[in-house]
Amino acid sequence: GENVEQHPSTLSVQEGDSAVIKCTYSDSASNYFPWYKQELGKGPQLIIDIRSNVGEKKDQRIAVTLNKTAKHFSLHITETQPEDSAVYFCAASISTNAGKSTFGDGTTLTVKP
Amino acid sequence: DTAVSQTPKYLVTQMGNDKSIKCEQNLGHDTMYWYKQDSKKFLKIMFSYNNKELIINETVPNRFSPKSPDKAHLNLHINSLELGDSAVYFCASSLGGGNEQFFGPGTRLTVL
Repeated sequence: GENVEQHPSTLSVQEGDSAVIKCTYSDSASNYFPWYKQELGKGPQLIIDIRSNVGEKKDQRIAVTLNKTAKHFSLHITETQPEDSAVYFCAASISTNAGKSTFGDGTTLTVKP
Repeated sequence: DTAVSQTPKYLVTQMGNDKSIKCEQNLGHDTMYWYKQDSKKFLKIMFSYNNKELIINETVPNRFSPKSPDKAHLNLHINSLELGDSAVYFCASSLGGGNEQFFGPGTRLTVL
């Protein structure tokens, strides 16, 4: 089955700095890679996703890159703000009706003002 | 309008009891999920249903029994609760594999 590894498990940055979280996956059939943000006391919420036919996607301060050959993808947050502090999860899945999303173990990001 | 709702939000109970958590989605999705998030924040899938049929059952003890009366609802019944069942349980829904999952607010289960 799919195995997703996520690093680092914790990340602390100063406000305004960039943050990078990396994930690797094992199943070459995986073709959908979402990133979720979980704020304290809430359920995870999608912030950006990428499909295997694209190498990079950007949405304002957030970007995701995908290297299919190396089987890794990364989340980049620029100009971090205190409200970016949360737990971030990467996931990998296959686009079928029964497709299961396998989540990474999460990264706790702290942005210090 | 709440997209995915769960009840109750908090559940405190004694070992050995039986309890249920209810989930409803109003997004018209075909696929629903149950996840368990432990104290280390690890998010692990337990079950997945597609059009009321069980698709994924991830090595979950048979004390856990999901039930999907219709596409909009996926309930989780837990028999003979154990201390290790203490966690936050999230329900989610999506259009199927390869699509965004919408998570509920979670149910924090504490077994004493």
